[in-house]
Amino acid sequence: DQQVKQNSPSLSVQEGRISILNCDYTNSMFDYFLWYKKYPAEGPTFLISISSIKDKNEDGRFTVFLNKSAKHLSLHIVPSQPGDSAVYFCAASTNTDKLIFGTGTRLQVFP
Amino acid sequence: DGGITQSPKYLFRKEGQNVTLSCEQNLNHDAMYWYRQDPGQGLRLIYYSQIVNDFQKGDIAEGYSVSREKKESFPLTVTSAQKNPTAFYLCASSIRTGGHSPLHFGNGTRLTVT
Repeated sequence: DQQVKQNSPSLSVQEGRISILNCDYTNSMFDYFLWYKKYPAEGPTFLISISSIKDKNEDGRFTVFLNKSAKHLSLHIVPSQPGDSAVYFCAASTNTDKLIFGTGTRLQVFP
Repeated sequence: DGGITQSPKYLFRKEGQNVTLSCEQNLNHDAMYWYRQDPGQGLRLIYYSQIVNDFQKGDIAEGYSVSREKKESFPLTVTSAQKNPTAFYLCASSIRTGGHSPLHFGNGTRLTVT
């Protein structure tokens, strides 16, 4: 049973435009959500997180939105740059349990 | 520099042989994890350890074994019982499990078994 789902395996966006990556979850007990970025042959790196008490968190070009009623979160990258091309994983956890990862979305930013 | 070191980066083994992947961290983190990444399957948890001398099975533990004799080390053994061992293996650590503690990952070991 996939508790964290990323239904789009890939996304292609032009440089300078907005990239929107989506993630859905099923467990209403999740109270902390994270996004990781992964380049080929490297480990994922932490990008941005959000607590369930918030609905938005912003860090430079990256903004994460959380819609608890829909059990949905999204990562917005504005403006998109070629260096953003990577696989993005969303993850979720409760206060006491381990992180659950989604299957990832491959973002390609083209000139 | 604090971080997680996985070695080797590439590993080749013959079918039927056990192989051990190394993971060392100097972040003073209590929790450590092993994940496996396969195309289209995301990150799947193999084993994790919350403290020294303790570890729990993750979602796909069959065919794997671990030990946690030291806080900084969490080696993973891929045994001959693992049916599809060829994959990219990632080790991670966090201050503790849960509690809004982000994972820090190593750069992975790509294991190829022929």
